[in-house]
Amino acid sequence: AQTVTQSQPEMSVQEAETVTLSCTYDTSESDYYLFWYKQPPSRQMILVIRQEAYKQQNATENRFSVNFQKAAKSFSLKISDSQLGDAAMYFCAYRSHNAGNMLTFGGGTRLMVKP
Amino acid sequence: NAGVTQTPKFQVLKTGQSMTLQCAQDMNHNSMYWYRQDPGMGLRLIYYSASEGTTDKGEVPNGYNVSRLNKREFSLRLESAAPSQTSVYFCASSVRQGNQETQYFGPGTRLLVL
Repeated sequence: AQTVTQSQPEMSVQEAETVTLSCTYDTSESDYYLFWYKQPPSRQMILVIRQEAYKQQNATENRFSVNFQKAAKSFSLKISDSQLGDAAMYFCAYRSHNAGNMLTFGGGTRLMVKP
Repeated sequence: NAGVTQTPKFQVLKTGQSMTLQCAQDMNHNSMYWYRQDPGMGLRLIYYSASEGTTDKGEVPNGYNVSRLNKREFSLRLESAAPSQTSVYFCASSVRQGNQETQYFGPGTRLLVL
């Protein structure tokens, strides 16, 4: 079974600065997908960014980018120019290419943004 | 287009009571899911439905039942609630576009079992 680990329960960043959230995963598969979800206080889960394992190029979405290291099974999220609205829980998630649409989530990282 | 909606937003039950959590999506998605989220843990899949008329167990199905009433609606039932089922419950639906599949989540239902 796949596992997803987020080793940072909490992170803090100054507004306008850059922060990196860590995620590692364990799998024996070669084809899979990785996601970062944001959960603000409203509790709604919002997709931030996704990465296909077969793609070498790191995904980017505006201020959000990932550092995908397949050999190391690492998938970190970098948030540039942090904004107060970025404060939320962030969850890393894994989905197998072959095992349907089930997502396996990490335990989450709470990001605080200081003005 | 409301996306994924869940009712109720919050519910308090006594041990042994039953209730049904409702979920609906208006995005014409084939697949729907129920997750629970406990403090310090990520979301865990309870049940999912790959298409209308089919349901399958996820990681933590014990104590729950589901019904895929039609393409829009996917309900989660607790027949005899237990304090261990105190959690936040999320419904999600997904669509496949090419080789990409993205799950869209509802706002969650907070359940407290006394």
